[in-house]
Amino acid sequence: RKEVEQDPGPFNVPEGATVAFNCTYSNSASQSFFWYRQDCRKEPKLLMSVYSSGNEDGRFTAQLNRASQYISLLIRDSKLSDSATYLCVVNRRGGADGLTFGKGTHLIIQP
Amino acid sequence: ETGVTQTPRHLVMGMTNKKSLKCEQHLGHNAMYWYKQSAKKPLELMFVYNFKEQTENNSVPSRFSPECPNSSHLFLHLHTLQPEDSALYLCASSQGSVETQYFGPGTRLLVL
Repeated sequence: RKEVEQDPGPFNVPEGATVAFNCTYSNSASQSFFWYRQDCRKEPKLLMSVYSSGNEDGRFTAQLNRASQYISLLIRDSKLSDSATYLCVVNRRGGADGLTFGKGTHLIIQP
Repeated sequence: ETGVTQTPRHLVMGMTNKKSLKCEQHLGHNAMYWYKQSAKKPLELMFVYNFKEQTENNSVPSRFSPECPNSSHLFLHLHTLQPEDSALYLCASSQGSVETQYFGPGTRLLVL
């Protein structure tokens, strides 16, 4: 099982719709979880951290399910500017050695 | 200047050249990283430095040689590279090894 797995997509979604991505991770000792966003030919940028209790930032909601070892990202009322690749990120080997990045899910918001 | 900066932004080199990539972070962080991102592949961690000490070398070929003279600067020295080394090389920094990482804009490298 890969350390971090994501559906690469692309997800083609009409503007205004709600879209959700899941990501699974293999290391049950992982403690830190993040969603990053990467635009074409640009560096990844932090979108939000993922907390055990779940967290919301505007139109974005992140959830963590430790029992099933998956993380989700929900985007409501999607905008054209949400088109990007969304990277699921998990800390490695219990936290000693940095972060592992998923391959990313490509999202295309269509007008 | 703020955040994480990288120079050069683009680099074309032959297989016999020697070049260096530079990264500088202005965030007061104590950990710095080099990543490689090839087309259609996930980010690959290359090296990790904590407080100037290398704590991880992720089986990177010796033609890539990192250097971290202080907590704010990180270099990646390149020599006798192969065409398959062409990629986007990203530098990142964080306050601790499990904390949020902030990325520089990357150096897009082409090896001919």
